[in-house]
Amino acid sequence: DAKTTQPPSMDCAEGRAANLPCNHSTISGNEYVYWYRQIHSQGPQYIIHGLKNNETNEMASLIITEDRKSSTLILPHATLRDTAVYYCIVRALYNQGGKLIFGQGTELSVKP
Amino acid sequence: DGGITQSPKYLFRKEGQNVTLSCEQNLNHDAMYWYRQDPGQGLRLIYYSQIVNDFQKGDIAEGYSVSREKKESFPLTVTSAQKNPTAFYLCASSMGLSSSYNEQFFGPGTRLTVL
Repeated sequence: DAKTTQPPSMDCAEGRAANLPCNHSTISGNEYVYWYRQIHSQGPQYIIHGLKNNETNEMASLIITEDRKSSTLILPHATLRDTAVYYCIVRALYNQGGKLIFGQGTELSVKP
Repeated sequence: DGGITQSPKYLFRKEGQNVTLSCEQNLNHDAMYWYRQDPGQGLRLIYYSQIVNDFQKGDIAEGYSVSREKKESFPLTVTSAQKNPTAFYLCASSMGLSSSYNEQFFGPGTRLTVL
């Protein structure tokens, strides 16, 4: 699975958009980009995933560059409850049962 | 309520004892996974199972064992052979490889401390 690079930490003001970047320059054609988040001492929570096209759901938007070497997760109106570690994962569905390889992630702090 | 349950939330054991962590899901998912998380680190895969009565080693299987006798249950045993068992253990499940969606749902985790 391709390696991902994320900034270790970011701050965001409550009510503003949080834009979390991820580099995955060695991604291959059959690998998806997944985002999960983990609030302290809880299990990770799925946010969104995509292959080539931009995706949006009730939680977030995912913007993938045309060359697929990077992506951005957008939380449109961050709240204090969005404070968590956000993991960007590049994953081939059929590798080891579809395992997720978690890196260090980005610790997002949403401040009032 | 549909979801994944792990029990107990906190577990303490003496060194040299085997301990079994429970994971149950009522999502009718085929695939189940066990991950380990150490402080400040990401998750690492211990074992996974794509179907009942079958399971595969992940990246750090040494010192662990699993069983998958029922679709809903995937218990993990941490044996005395595991050198550093103190960690946060997370169980997950997904629809499996028959679905291209294959999102993994995680349980709340069990924090194991070996004294």
